[in-house]
Amino acid sequence: QVQLQESGPGLVKPSQTLSLTCTVSGDSINKGGYYWSWIRQRPGKGLEWIGSIYYSGSAYYNPSLKSRITVSVDTSKTQFSLTLNSVTAADTAVYYCARGSITVVRGVVGFDYWGQGTLATVSS
Amino acid sequence: AIQMTQSPSSLSASVGDRVTITCRASQDIRNELGWYQQKSGTAPKLLIYAASNLQSGVPSRFSGSGSGTDFTLTISSLQPEDFATYYCLQDFNYPWTFGQGTQVEVK
Repeated sequence: QVQLQESGPGLVKPSQTLSLTCTVSGDSINKGGYYWSWIRQRPGKGLEWIGSIYYSGSAYYNPSLKSRITVSVDTSKTQFSLTLNSVTAADTAVYYCARGSITVVRGVVGFDYWGQGTLATVSS
Repeated sequence: AIQMTQSPSSLSASVGDRVTITCRASQDIRNELGWYQQKSGTAPKLLIYAASNLQSGVPSRFSGSGSGTDFTLTISSLQPEDFATYYCLQDFNYPWTFGQGTQVEVK
């Protein structure tokens, strides 16, 4: 059974860097056909795609976050990470990591496994 | 970025009702749309992918249809466990964008 678990500090000061890690178990993180992603949800709001990284290493980001974000993969630790620089109160949200799947037969499947989410609060 | 507009933003329904939620894309996204269910305090769950394909393990009362710009999620007979918020997501091109959500409440 594939499981994802987010970890990171619950509180970050304004202008500092938010770093979150997602640990994947039950499957290989460097297998083709998957993309590893971050999605967030501000309090009481909808879902926002942040960025995704593929097995190949190609990463795609939401331009609304400009150049503040980096998503990376550590295959040796079966983890992938999110770094968000220069945070403000607007970055306070529940951050989800998720696995997306693409198959030859089914095409893009979407986010089929999610972590339970971690709340990151930006406050001094 | 492609805008995804869901309607209604909320609805009230009873167990056994047929429920329909629509999602409209600001441009043609072919069939590259998914539907997700989110219950309060939990992560979203994939219901439908590629507009009309039922994800493994999802009850058959859920169905999706549409292509191009207009899409529909239908729950044929609402069950107590279906009261939740539903989101569409276009994965046609970046940035991937979600609809604003439809909250299905008890009538």
